[in-house]
Amino acid sequence: AIRMTQSPSSFSASTGDRVTITCRASQGISSYLAWYQQKPGKAPKLLIYAASTLQSGVPSRFSGSGSGTDFTLTISCLQSEDFATYYCQQYYSYPVTFGPGTKVDIK
Amino acid sequence: EVQLVESGGVVVQPGGSLRLSCAASGFTFDDYTMHWVRQAPGKGLEWVSLISWDGGSTYYADSVKGRFTISRDNSKNSLYLQMNSLRTEDTALYYCAKAAAGTGFYFDYWGQGTLVTVSS
Repeated sequence: AIRMTQSPSSFSASTGDRVTITCRASQGISSYLAWYQQKPGKAPKLLIYAASTLQSGVPSRFSGSGSGTDFTLTISCLQSEDFATYYCQQYYSYPVTFGPGTKVDIK
Repeated sequence: EVQLVESGGVVVQPGGSLRLSCAASGFTFDDYTMHWVRQAPGKGLEWVSLISWDGGSTYYADSVKGRFTISRDNSKNSLYLQMNSLRTEDTALYYCAKAAAGTGFYFDYWGQGTLVTVSS
């Protein structure tokens, strides 16, 4: 199975900050990568697929980039509703696998 | 509006069995691959199983292969997960997830989950 790692595992940020989360795959996955946001007690929400395509209804402050093994999720101007845990997921091959998550909390 | 509503989660003893259900609405259910994804308490997400639109293809994570069976009833817009030989490590919130159009391998809608606790 392809192993996904994320960094950092958690960090604190302030409203208005630009934040970047990194996801790395153990082997090349082309652009078959999705990003999800999960808030406490809620189901995950799809933010980005195909590494950089914004899901309908997701604010444009979210963006994704990368291909192959290295990917990033960027939030250009952090809002209060963005404090959450973010997961990457590869869907290049089965079993699909998720990263361990990055928790973004309030500084 | 797409809705996925899971049910069937309970407390069960190790070695026991359980069937989870997911009722789908707001989309043409038999057009889409469906998945189960689980999340152990305080942990990350783990894909469990998928079933193709017509039920003709199924896949399982190694951790559940041979113990869990996924199925669907398109006439009832419902997805199921039969869980046998349950282990304490199967304790998790189980989500039903709709595959996005196209590849079917990532998830554009999720239910709220149903909690399975395996404990003696």
